Amino acid sequence: NAGVMQNPRHLVRRRGQEARLRCSPMKGHSHVYWYRQLPEEGLKFMVYLQKENIIDESGMPKERFSAEFPKEGPSILRIQQVVRGDSAAYFCASAGRATNEKLFFGSGTQLSVL
Amino acid sequence: KQEVTQIPAALSVPEGENLVLNCSFTDSAIYNLQWFRQDPGKGLTSLLLIQSSQREQTSGRLNASLDKSSGRSTLYIAASQPGDSATYLCAVNTGTASKLTFGTGTRLQVTL
Repeated sequence: NAGVMQNPRHLVRRRGQEARLRCSPMKGHSHVYWYRQLPEEGLKFMVYLQKENIIDESGMPKERFSAEFPKEGPSILRIQQVVRGDSAAYFCASAGRATNEKLFFGSGTQLSVL
Repeated sequence: KQEVTQIPAALSVPEGENLVLNCSFTDSAIYNLQWFRQDPGKGLTSLLLIQSSQREQTSGRLNASLDKSSGRSTLYIAASQPGDSATYLCAVNTGTASKLTFGTGTRLQVTL
């Protein structure tokens, strides 16, 4: 009964490169959330997806960031042309239903931009 | 806009002590409140979830209370152990779709 799986655990990119972060939700979960934790700050909501749909992307920066959750395969958070300020821990969470349920979090991807 | 505050930011106690962590939130119209534990370099582990209609939840040595009208929650840890050392996060769900607003956490250290 695997939990939420994120990979890679650590990702190093140079400024201007692209970063792709993957998240496989818990078995049976169809709701995926991405959160970002900047150094010395709390976790901030970025985006909420269901299969093939973005439901709420109000926390996502308007440029360079995108997310998808295809019918088959993991959810992907994509950051184009990374800058040093993108360095953070990115956490994925999943839930079986949209409301009033526990969120189960993955171990996160630590992105470092050189 | 919902804001969540946790006090204290850091806490160090000797093993065996009972302790209370505090969480306050500005918008009392919440669906639920969740307490998490985060270990260094790791993800979050859900400890307790309290629905808006509930007053408290218990799991082992942990007890969480909720006073929605005053915008407060407490996490009570009984007979603390060194293995309880971690950062404890409070998060509230004020909308549909389980979108959480997090506090900045209380970093707990339990010493021998």
